[in-house]
Amino acid sequence: DTAVSQTPKYLVTQMGNDKSIKCEQNLGHDTMYWYKQDSKKFLKIMFSYNNKELIINETVPNRFSPKSPDKAHLNLHINSLELGDSAVYFCASSQVSAYEQYFGPGTRLTVT
Amino acid sequence: GENVEQHPSTLSVQEGDSAVIKCTYSDSASNYFPWYKQELGKRPQLIIDIRSNVGEKKDQRIAVTLNKTAKHFSLHITETQPEDSAVYFCAATTSGTYKYIFGTGTRLKVLA
Repeated sequence: DTAVSQTPKYLVTQMGNDKSIKCEQNLGHDTMYWYKQDSKKFLKIMFSYNNKELIINETVPNRFSPKSPDKAHLNLHINSLELGDSAVYFCASSQVSAYEQYFGPGTRLTVT
Repeated sequence: GENVEQHPSTLSVQEGDSAVIKCTYSDSASNYFPWYKQELGKRPQLIIDIRSNVGEKKDQRIAVTLNKTAKHFSLHITETQPEDSAVYFCAATTSGTYKYIFGTGTRLKVLA
């Protein structure tokens, strides 16, 4: 079945709103990631959690807050959405000892 | 900071010809180099990877070569088919950092 899943697939919202994206993996991995892919297709790491501990926190506005309730879930909450937040957000997971990262289907966020 | 350069940004080949995409990385401690294929509207999917203790790896029509001295690695696709059309991303990571640095992507078009 689906290894890394995200909800919702599409999210259209207005500037100033707060929204959340959820990610779940059933691969038994211990590390999860959030990436942002902009309109030019650049893929950039935002955050990573290993065993529920934040290990990567790139230069991202503090309106973005990740939360990992357990090893299989990683959520992304965004406050006060701005036009520039429009992008596709991908979740990924890996087993830290194995390097390979597996991506979810993505969430296309459109801020109007 | 760490950087991965990828060339070309677009590549058009005739069906049956070969395609080569090149990446250069800056961090000499990088030791794992995956390649991802992303079809339109889909997630990035791992197609092949190579570790720093190996110079070449092949999987059917796809091969990757690594030159640690020059800090560059390449993806080779032989006998290209229309279904190979996609955006290809290279990445580099260093053990212990968990972080992928992605190249800027190459849009490959295979013309029938």
